[in-house]
Amino acid sequence: DTAVSQTPKYLVTQMGNDKSIKCEQNLGHDTMYWYKQDSKKFLKIMFSYNNKELIINETVPNRFSPKSPDKAHLNLHINSLELGDSAVYFCASSPYEQGNEKLFFGSGTQLSVL
Amino acid sequence: AQSVTQLGSHVSVSEGALVLLRCNYSSSVPPYLFWYVQYPNQGLQLLLKYTSAATLVKGINGFEAEFKKSETSFHLTKPSAHMSDAAEYFCAVSDRGTGGFKTIFGAGTRLFVKA
Repeated sequence: DTAVSQTPKYLVTQMGNDKSIKCEQNLGHDTMYWYKQDSKKFLKIMFSYNNKELIINETVPNRFSPKSPDKAHLNLHINSLELGDSAVYFCASSPYEQGNEKLFFGSGTQLSVL
Repeated sequence: AQSVTQLGSHVSVSEGALVLLRCNYSSSVPPYLFWYVQYPNQGLQLLLKYTSAATLVKGINGFEAEFKKSETSFHLTKPSAHMSDAAEYFCAVSDRGTGGFKTIFGAGTRLFVKA
């Protein structure tokens, strides 16, 4: 079974559209994250949720709205997509314990905004 | 805030040669440090982590890293490169802010292995 699964794997859309990416983990972790990886492979945290509660929001535009219906799921909705949103988005999960934040990553969603 | 700097965006070695990927950290407190590997079209996976138990940390696939406080370094090494080691490698540090823990990644180093 895949530990962290996200869908879809590829997403191609037009500017101005709204899209969602779903993520689920079956590891029993309390904390889930969204990371954005740009074309130069730079990886930056966007959000972190602990047990359904938002704990980190890294000054991401409010067009991005994460939602965590339960601690095993963290979805990302993006409104009014812009060209600069094109990137690979990774979901990850970890135990909530400093020094033990081994991140388990999904395989990524490649978003292309045309 | 804590950060890591990876020296060299690309490293190329011959198969069987030593792999050395460099990482320096900046931290005001004892850091938790990590190395992750990303194969093409995949998510990152943990190679190894340093949590102050031992300065020499052994990871998967024959990789190891040594924590050197005096040099603020955490370089990744492997004695003999294999073709399958070709990937992107990320050094990372755990940072605790007001909102909780987060992992801060370096810019990555792409490892090429020549036959």
